[in-house]
Amino acid sequence: KAGVTQTPRYLIKTRGQQVTLSCSPISGHRSVSWYQQTPGQGLQFLFEYFSETQRNKGNFPGRFSGRQFSNSRSEMNVSTLELGDSALYLCASSFGGAGELFFGEGSRLTVL
Amino acid sequence: GESVGLHLPTLSVQEGDNSIINCAYSNSASDYFIWYKQESGKGPQFIIDIRSNMDKRQGQRVTVLLNKTVKHLSLQIAATQPGDSAVYFCAENISGSQGNLIFGKGTKLSVKP
Repeated sequence: KAGVTQTPRYLIKTRGQQVTLSCSPISGHRSVSWYQQTPGQGLQFLFEYFSETQRNKGNFPGRFSGRQFSNSRSEMNVSTLELGDSALYLCASSFGGAGELFFGEGSRLTVL
Repeated sequence: GESVGLHLPTLSVQEGDNSIINCAYSNSASDYFIWYKQESGKGPQFIIDIRSNMDKRQGQRVTVLLNKTVKHLSLQIAATQPGDSAVYFCAENISGSQGNLIFGKGTKLSVKP
């Protein structure tokens, strides 16, 4: 069974640009969550999608957005990038109830 | 098991010894707890979970203990191996907030051969 797949794995952007990250969940999983991981703040919840609807949202500015498609694949977008957005962005999938999240390897974003 | 800023607490153990990693969680409404292991360059990997109606759960070489009175979680690893070297995170889930795990800052486990 394939795991959670995230693309791209690495990317470099400059301030002011925007970026889109993609996540393919484990087959059969309908929930996709996104997390930001930095050395200073650790792992922080961005948002969670279930059946194409945002079900939960963390405490991040509106520059961070996401969506989920009918096949459960998800994308997150960060607009007007800032240096502080440099981080590892992790996607996790699950069946949707309160249970284990399966994480991908992450997309490492560097903002110059 | 909590840290501030860039400095993760580090636990250094000898191969074959038992390891205990501790974590204080924040919310009394949390009803589900997970331990994750993260190796360098990889995403977090599930180790073991426990629900709030239990105080102990055992897996293969791992045991999680939950003390709701003091909001404390611990992970015990038996016969620690070099492959166990990683950063370990505890995470809590508040009832009704699916997909939203609140992670601790992590503890770095180093196993000396």
